[in-house]
Amino acid sequence: DTAVSQTPKYLVTQMGNDKSIKCEQNLGHDTMYWYKQDSKKFLKIMFSYNNKELIINETVPNRFSPKSPDKAHLNLHINSLELGDSAVYFCASSQEPQSYEQYFGPGTRLTVT
Amino acid sequence: QQQVKQSPQSLIVQKGGISIINCAYENTAFDYFPWYQQFPGKGPALLIAIRPDVSEKKEGRFTISFNKSAKQFSLHIMDSQPGDSATYFCAASRRPGNTGKLIFGQGTTLQVKP
Repeated sequence: DTAVSQTPKYLVTQMGNDKSIKCEQNLGHDTMYWYKQDSKKFLKIMFSYNNKELIINETVPNRFSPKSPDKAHLNLHINSLELGDSAVYFCASSQEPQSYEQYFGPGTRLTVT
Repeated sequence: QQQVKQSPQSLIVQKGGISIINCAYENTAFDYFPWYQQFPGKGPALLIAIRPDVSEKKEGRFTISFNKSAKQFSLHIMDSQPGDSATYFCAASRRPGNTGKLIFGQGTTLQVKP
């Protein structure tokens, strides 16, 4: 059973397009996150939701919009994709917002051409 | 400053050797220091974590050493195995007002040669 799943695993698209990445967790956790891992493997948090409420909103272009339809799902929509958006995007979840123990999904490799 | 500095960037160790990865932080409000392990093509996974009131924590071949006064902590992998080859991230999280925000180090790519 996959704890945190993401779709798609790979996403290749052209500049200017709009795309979405979906995330689901079956751990019963209340908190979910989106991270961006760049080409140098640096991991940076983008957003966090707790029970469908946005609690972390880092300095991210407003072309990125997260959406949590319920506490088991967190999607990421990206408008007007740019070359610099190419990265691996990870979804993660934790039992509560204060937890350092986060469970990561397998990642979505986004390539913008 | 909410920064965690990690070194080295890459590390090559012979099988059976000791791998050591170091991290330093600046914000004394950090209260948990986890280490994550990431295999190629996979997401990071929690390996081991320590609180600042503990100087050492050991789980199997993995040990965290913590030096609160120096604001440094390190991961030691004893008897390193080829299966340990992965990227390791140190991280730090903060209370109060913590919203589960982890600050990650830059990562260390470990290669264990057979």
